[in-house]
Amino acid sequence: ETVLTQSPGTLSLSPGERATLSCRASESVGSRYFAWYQQKPGQAPRLLIYGASSRATGIPDRFIGSGSGTDFTLTISRLEPEDFAVYYCQQYDSSPFTFGPGTKVDIK
Amino acid sequence: EVQLVESGGGLVQPGGSLRLSCAASGFTVSSNYMNWVRQAPGKGLEWVSIIFTSGSTYYVDSVKGRFTISRDNSKNTLYLQMNSLRSEDTAVYYCARSRDRLYGMDVWGRGTTVTVSS
Repeated sequence: ETVLTQSPGTLSLSPGERATLSCRASESVGSRYFAWYQQKPGQAPRLLIYGASSRATGIPDRFIGSGSGTDFTLTISRLEPEDFAVYYCQQYDSSPFTFGPGTKVDIK
Repeated sequence: EVQLVESGGGLVQPGGSLRLSCAASGFTVSSNYMNWVRQAPGKGLEWVSIIFTSGSTYYVDSVKGRFTISRDNSKNTLYLQMNSLRSEDTAVYYCARSRDRLYGMDVWGRGTTVTVSS
């Protein structure tokens, strides 16, 4: 099973700042099979990035995915008030299609 | 409108069974990769199962032999049959669509709550 580790656990930032979220895999993941999701309290997750770097439909260009192999990054270039949420990475290269434990981005 | 609506959750005793349903509208279930993902109270997301367009199925180890994913093409509905339920299966269960093997899960239902308790 591919274990995903996200860091930091919590990121405290102000609107307008840049957020950098990391996800590390226990073994190499095909970059075509890597995604990032956003989840707000009481809501279902929302797909942000697939294929490591492609934005899903309707996702603003301030969300930038990068990485390959075992190291992946989600960058939010300038935080908007609606971006404060929990972010999960996921690999869907090999079953089980595991999620990371999440990074909470909260308001400083 | 593309939509998924889950149903079938509830309170069940340990060792019991439930069948979750996920009704799709605006797209065809059999032409997409369909997933179940769960979230225990206050915890993160856990991928549970997937059915490919080919009909192949995969599961997380903790539910293998107890859960079965299936679809009814005539009803455009996804199912999760859950047997031998344990307290650790308590969670909100979401169904989610992946439009193809390379795309993430882009359409999600609102979830249905399963509580396993005596």
